[in-house]
Amino acid sequence: TQLLEQSPQFLSIQEGENLTVYCNSSSVFSSLQWYRQEPGEGPVLLVTVVTGGEVKKLKRLTFQFGDARKDSSLHITAAQPGDTGLYLCAGGSNYKLTFGKGTLLTVNP
Amino acid sequence: ETGVTQSPTHLIKTRGQQVTLRCSSQSGHNTVSWYQQALGQGPQFIFQYYREEENGRGNFPPRFSGLQFPNYSSELNVNALELDDSALYLCASRATGGRDGYTFGSGTRLTVV
Repeated sequence: TQLLEQSPQFLSIQEGENLTVYCNSSSVFSSLQWYRQEPGEGPVLLVTVVTGGEVKKLKRLTFQFGDARKDSSLHITAAQPGDTGLYLCAGGSNYKLTFGKGTLLTVNP
Repeated sequence: ETGVTQSPTHLIKTRGQQVTLRCSSQSGHNTVSWYQQALGQGPQFIFQYYREEENGRGNFPPRFSGLQFPNYSSELNVNALELDDSALYLCASRATGGRDGYTFGSGTRLTVV
């Protein structure tokens, strides 16, 4: 059974701070995706990484895929209240996504 | 048509009843998946349909079934509802073959009482 563990589970920070959330697995995935979910909404795709060691930047967000394609991290620089939400990582295989439980981020003004 | 639309947005059912949830996928996306998200958890894969046939299934009992139609719409049916079936049910679609992420709908919040 493929499992993804995310840490921390909860994170509350002040506006302007930097943060990193982690996603780890004992299994190799063909791709790894990060989603952001707001209350009452479905997850919204932020990024897909497919190559070991790959780094992608999306404005203040930096995503990294581990060399062995088993782990990933999301780093946010100068967090803003609009970044508040549930951040989910998901490993892709042939026909499904395996999600972690998510990191609930709260950015206080 | 862009985006994934799900209906209804909220639903309350009694234990033992049957429910049908509906999804209209993004145009051109012939792969649709359904996920169950319990409170405080990540989404759990139920099954996936491609060209109107189920081609992948997660660890859910047979009382969870689905249909996909040629017009990019699909259904999730759940029979003999149990209290633990209370969750947010998400439909997601993508174009076949790509490594792009899925486009998710806003979900249907099902409460079983």
